[in-house]
Amino acid sequence: GNSVTQMEGPVTLSEEAFLTINCTYTATGYPSLFWYVQYPGEGLQLLLKATKADDKGSNKGFEATYRKETTSFHLEKGSVQVSDSAVYFCALSDRDTGRRALTFGSGTRLQVQP
Amino acid sequence: DGGITQSPKYLFRKEGQNVTLSCEQNLNHDAMYWYRQDPGQGLRLIYYSQIVNDFQKGDIAEGYSVSREKKESFPLTVTSAQKNPTAFYLCASSQQGDRNSPLHFGNGTRLTVT
Repeated sequence: GNSVTQMEGPVTLSEEAFLTINCTYTATGYPSLFWYVQYPGEGLQLLLKATKADDKGSNKGFEATYRKETTSFHLEKGSVQVSDSAVYFCALSDRDTGRRALTFGSGTRLQVQP
Repeated sequence: DGGITQSPKYLFRKEGQNVTLSCEQNLNHDAMYWYRQDPGQGLRLIYYSQIVNDFQKGDIAEGYSVSREKKESFPLTVTSAQKNPTAFYLCASSQQGDRNSPLHFGNGTRLTVT
């Protein structure tokens, strides 16, 4: 079946540091890949997505590239801010099955210190 | 503004009681989903519905039930058969027919059963 593996957190960084959160996946078909962000006490918000190999999703300074050869979709940001502190979820949508729901990773908590 | 409304935000129940969580959307989405979130485990799919009057079990459906009588509403009942009901429950919706369509989430209901 499908699965998503994320690096364990928490990840603690100083403001303006470079961020990488690793995400690898296993899927039977050719999935679409997503990053979602969850702020305390809230639901999840879509951060970015990529729908085919070599696509790069980007939003609010965050980027992730769909790497089919390494089955990865790592999230990066060049300079984090305190306001980026949240939990980040990698997810996939398997387009070759009838089930349209997303499969999520376990989440990675990011803490940015001033 | 369009969105998903979950109510209540916090819910407390005694063990052995059934409880129903509300989820309403005004995004005109066909598909709706219920996820459960536990610390360190990410999101797990409980039930999903792709169209009115139809729904399918997700990965952890035991002890839960749903209905989809209206397009806008997808209530989740946590029954007394659910062995570990205390969790954060998230409802989501998406545009049917578009495999790349992201999920839109509500702000969740935190259920505590004692």
